[in-house]
Amino acid sequence: EVQLVESGGGLVQPGGSLRLSCAASAFTFSSYWMHWVRQAPGKGLVWVSRMSSDGSTTSHADSVKGRFTISRDNAKNTLYLQMNSLRAEDTAVYYCVRAKTGTRNAFDIWGQGTMVTVSS
Amino acid sequence: QSVLTQPPSASGTPGQRVTISCSGSSSNIGSNTVNWYQQLPGTAPKLLIYTNNQRPSGVPDRFSGSKSGTSASLAISGLQSEDEADYYCAAWDDSLNGVVFGGGTKLTVL
Repeated sequence: EVQLVESGGGLVQPGGSLRLSCAASAFTFSSYWMHWVRQAPGKGLVWVSRMSSDGSTTSHADSVKGRFTISRDNAKNTLYLQMNSLRAEDTAVYYCVRAKTGTRNAFDIWGQGTMVTVSS
Repeated sequence: QSVLTQPPSASGTPGQRVTISCSGSSSNIGSNTVNWYQQLPGTAPKLLIYTNNQRPSGVPDRFSGSKSGTSASLAISGLQSEDEADYYCAAWDDSLNGVVFGGGTKLTVL
C-alpha cells in the first residue's frame, strides 16, 4: 500500500527546533515532488514547503522562509522538515504529501500527520 | 485570510445538488489549474478533483469540478450523508511561488 508516515512532532518551547521525518513506502519516492502542508487546530490547510524529486529545487511559504528547511534522502525514501526558531503560530498538524505525477500540486497521497505544539 | 475565497459553510438535503465556489485572482486560478480536497472529521484530506475537473480513481462521478476565469466550483450531486466534510480548493500562485488554499467550506447534510 502506498503510504507516507510522519514522525518527530511534539511539544517544543518558543525559539526551539524540531525535525520532522516522513517515511515513504510502496512507490518510487525518488520520482515525485514532495511537499509539507500544515493545519492549525480548527483551522484550514496551509502550504509550507516543497522539494523536487531530485532535491535540486525547493521553495517555502513566506511565513516559514529562513526558519524551515525541507530536505530529502532518496536512498532512505524519507522527506524531512527542519524547523528552527519555532513560534506559537507554528502550532499545527504537519502533513507530508505527494504531488501526483504530471501535476505541480495535486496532492494525491497524504500522511496521517504529526502534531507540533509550540508553547512554554 | 486565505488567498482563495470560499464560503465558510454550505448545506443540502440528501439527494440534492450543492455547489461550492472558490474565487481567486489572475496569479493563481486565472493562470493555473485548481484542485479540490475533502477532509472528513478527524482524518487527513483526500484529493477529490485535480486539474480543474479530473477525478482520481475511486472518486464517485457525483463529484465534479469546473473553472472559469479566476473562479472555480465544486459540484456534488445526489448528496449523501457521508459527504458531510470540509472541502478545500487549492492552486499554484505565480506571485507567491507557492500553493494557496481556500479557507475551506464545511458541508452539512441536513
